[in-house]
Amino acid sequence: AQSVSQHNHHVILSEAASLELGCNYSYGGTVNLFWYVQYPGQHLQLLLKYFSGDPLVKGIKGFEAEFIKSKFSFNLRKPSVQWSDTAEYFCAVNEGASGGSYIPTFGRGTSLIVHP
Amino acid sequence: GAVVSQHPSWVICKSGTSVKIECRSLDFQATTMFWYRQFPKQSLMLMATSNEGSKATYEQGVEKDKFLINHASLTLSTLTVTSAHPEDSSFYICSASHREPYEQYFGPGTRLTVT
Repeated sequence: AQSVSQHNHHVILSEAASLELGCNYSYGGTVNLFWYVQYPGQHLQLLLKYFSGDPLVKGIKGFEAEFIKSKFSFNLRKPSVQWSDTAEYFCAVNEGASGGSYIPTFGRGTSLIVHP
Repeated sequence: GAVVSQHPSWVICKSGTSVKIECRSLDFQATTMFWYRQFPKQSLMLMATSNEGSKATYEQGVEKDKFLINHASLTLSTLTVTSAHPEDSSFYICSASHREPYEQYFGPGTRLTVT
């Protein structure tokens, strides 16, 4: 079964600091990769996704992530965080299943707090 | 676009009763819907996947007779927690997805408390 590891459970930064959140997955086949964000009091929403092509993907609000196949990683980055980036971040992987369906697996999540 | 609603947003019920939670995709047709449980400070645990018009696929360890999922149309899925017990108290989240590009659109969640 697929597993997704997020190494940083809690991250505290000051505004303008750079951010990198780690994500590693275990599946060796074709995967679709996602980062979702959950702002306080809001529901989960998509931050960015990777399906194929350029391994460096850009998402909303200045976030980007790099897919490194050899390392089974999909780390999230932002060069300069803002207070409004305070949220819970989830890495997710879709593993292909039979019949064209897929099985999503989520990492444990990383709580990011940005101090103004 | 791609809005998913859940109803109710919170519910309190007595032990032994059943509770139904609705998940609707408001502005798109969802070929697949997912149901998750989220425990405090923990990740989302996938409970089941449902495709419109077919039986739900439950993850290992999830009792299908206890958590009844119905995906009656391309815009509606329901989760019924039957004979609820206090240990079923949790935050239940649904999501919906197109056939492609596969990202999920999440509902706001339903807080279930069983007394």
